[in-house]
Amino acid sequence: KQEVTQIPAALSVPEGENLVLNCSFTDSAIYNLQWFRQDPGKGLTSLLLIQSSQREQTSGRLNASLDKSSGRSTLYIAASQPGDSATYLCAVTSSSNTGKLIFGQGTTLQVKP
Amino acid sequence: DAGVTQSPTHLIKTRGQQVTLRCSPKSGHDTVSWYQQALGQGPQFIFQYYEEEERQRGNFPDRFSGHQFPNYSSELNVNALLLGDSALYLCASSTPLTGEETQYFGPGTRLLVL
Repeated sequence: KQEVTQIPAALSVPEGENLVLNCSFTDSAIYNLQWFRQDPGKGLTSLLLIQSSQREQTSGRLNASLDKSSGRSTLYIAASQPGDSATYLCAVTSSSNTGKLIFGQGTTLQVKP
Repeated sequence: DAGVTQSPTHLIKTRGQQVTLRCSPKSGHDTVSWYQQALGQGPQFIFQYYEEEERQRGNFPDRFSGHQFPNYSSELNVNALLLGDSALYLCASSTPLTGEETQYFGPGTRLLVL
């Protein structure tokens, strides 16, 4: 059974700092991995999607990497801003079931001005 | 281009009642998935609808049922509500036919069961 874990559960950093969020999964037979952002009480916004054959994806100040063999992904946020404060969720789909997202519990990020 | 919409935004029910939540997918999408997100947790997959049929289901009891209409919109029904059903219910749409794999999420419906 696939399980997704995110560490840390919460993180507080000063504005301008570079930071890394971690995601690990137990079954390496994934189809893809996505990082989402969720603002309090709101829905999810997709940030980056990495196919199982890819190593990383970049969008602006965000860079996500994937190491399928070790069951790990990281989301790197450069030059953090207060507007980056949100909960970041990692989700995988398995090779045998591409329609179902399996989520981690999320990392709640606070960027202080 | 309208994104995924859900209604209502908030709902308060009492134990034992029944509730219906609604979702309209993003334009051009034909597949709708429903997720339950308890406070402080990641979303949990409930089920997915495609071509008006439930294609797959997560580990949820039969009290949770759904429907998809010919226009691809969908409903989530929960019977015999329990306190533990209080959560944010998220709808996501996608369309595997075009190869686009990102699921687009709606803003959710916040259900409180008293």
